[in-house]
Amino acid sequence: TQLLEQSPQFLSIQEGENLTVYCNSSSVFSSLQWYRQEPGEGPVLLVTVVTGGEVKKLKRLTFQFGDARKDSSLHITAAQPGDTGLYLCAGPALRRSARQLTFGSGTQLTVLP
Amino acid sequence: EAQVTQNPRYLITVTGKKLTVTCSQNMNHEYMSWYRQDPGLGLRQIYYSMNVEVTDKGDVPEGYKVSRKEKRNFPLILESPSPNQTSLYFCASSYGGTGAQQPQHFGDGTRLSIL
Repeated sequence: TQLLEQSPQFLSIQEGENLTVYCNSSSVFSSLQWYRQEPGEGPVLLVTVVTGGEVKKLKRLTFQFGDARKDSSLHITAAQPGDTGLYLCAGPALRRSARQLTFGSGTQLTVLP
Repeated sequence: EAQVTQNPRYLITVTGKKLTVTCSQNMNHEYMSWYRQDPGLGLRQIYYSMNVEVTDKGDVPEGYKVSRKEKRNFPLILESPSPNQTSLYFCASSYGGTGAQQPQHFGDGTRLSIL
């Protein structure tokens, strides 16, 4: 069982549609990071959420950290083909070493023109 | 340009032949780590290092070794590679003593195939 569960695993949508990706855990995280990875490259950080209930916006992307710091979501408004990629959440779980980073299994997003 | 450099990018080798994947960063980061990425499993941490001469096991350390003799370098060593170590490997670095909470800077990956 993964410490961080992401859903859905795969998502294929048309350009202009909205979507939400979820990152859930039974453990509390001190912070959560969201990354996007494109083929042939390493993940690139999008945002870090730190406070329970926090909402951060990055253009058409909205990130939310759950009040209990056990879950997070990424909402994309009016998706574009350039949003295509693997979205990963990651964080240091409080019940484990704060020096260890745990990643979710990822959501592969495809936005069709 | 700030970057994490991994070499080689691709490697096909045979079971039992020792290999080393190098990782170097030019950002003076204290925290460095190695991950493997397999389909459906995301990234799993192999080893991490808080600073020079300080290394610790991650979630999947079996069959791997690391060393941190210099701050900029963090090589991953497979003493006797086996086919189940065929994977895509990433090195990452970040700033500071609480490195896992800081943004991670990743290399472009090393695709390893062990026959």
